[in-house]
Amino acid sequence: KQEVTQIPAALSVPEGENLVLNCSFTDSAIYNLQWFRQDPGKGLTSLLLIQSSQREQTSGRLNASLDKSSGRSTLYIAASQPGDSATYLCAVDNQAGTALIFGKGTTLSVSS
Amino acid sequence: DGGITQSPKYLFRKEGQNVTLSCEQNLNHDAMYWYRQDPGQGLRLIYYSQIVNDFQKGDIAEGYSVSREKKESFPLTVTSAQKNPTAFYLCASSPRTGSDEKLFFGSGTQLSVL
Repeated sequence: KQEVTQIPAALSVPEGENLVLNCSFTDSAIYNLQWFRQDPGKGLTSLLLIQSSQREQTSGRLNASLDKSSGRSTLYIAASQPGDSATYLCAVDNQAGTALIFGKGTTLSVSS
Repeated sequence: DGGITQSPKYLFRKEGQNVTLSCEQNLNHDAMYWYRQDPGQGLRLIYYSQIVNDFQKGDIAEGYSVSREKKESFPLTVTSAQKNPTAFYLCASSPRTGSDEKLFFGSGTQLSVL
């Protein structure tokens, strides 16, 4: 059964720092991987989707990489800002016709 | 504006009561999902539907029921059989399951037990 793990569970950084969030999954036969952002008490917003054939995706200050063979993905946030403070979740789609499997998330706090 | 609307935002359930959470989307998506989120936990799948009049159980379907009579609507009923219903419930949709398309989420419903 696919399991998704995110490390660390929480992270605090000063404004302007570059940072990396980690996601690992146990079954490398995935269809795609998505990174989401969740603000307290809110729904999730999809940030980046990486197809299984891709190595990375970029959107603004965010860059997500995927190493399917090792079961790992990273989300790189450049020049962090207080507005980046949120919980970041990764999720994998490992079988067509089913739903995403989520990690527990990393809660990021960026101080000014 | 296109999107997913969940209502109510907050809901309280009495002992032995069934309650229904609403989820409506105007994105013309075929697939819809219900997830449960507990504090400090990831999302766990309750039910999903790939098409109208069809739905599948997720990992934690016991004590819940759904219907998909219209493409736009996927209501979730939390029955009295669900003994620990306090959680944040999230509805989502995508063009279809297994597609390389992003998942869209509603803003959630917080269910608490009185």
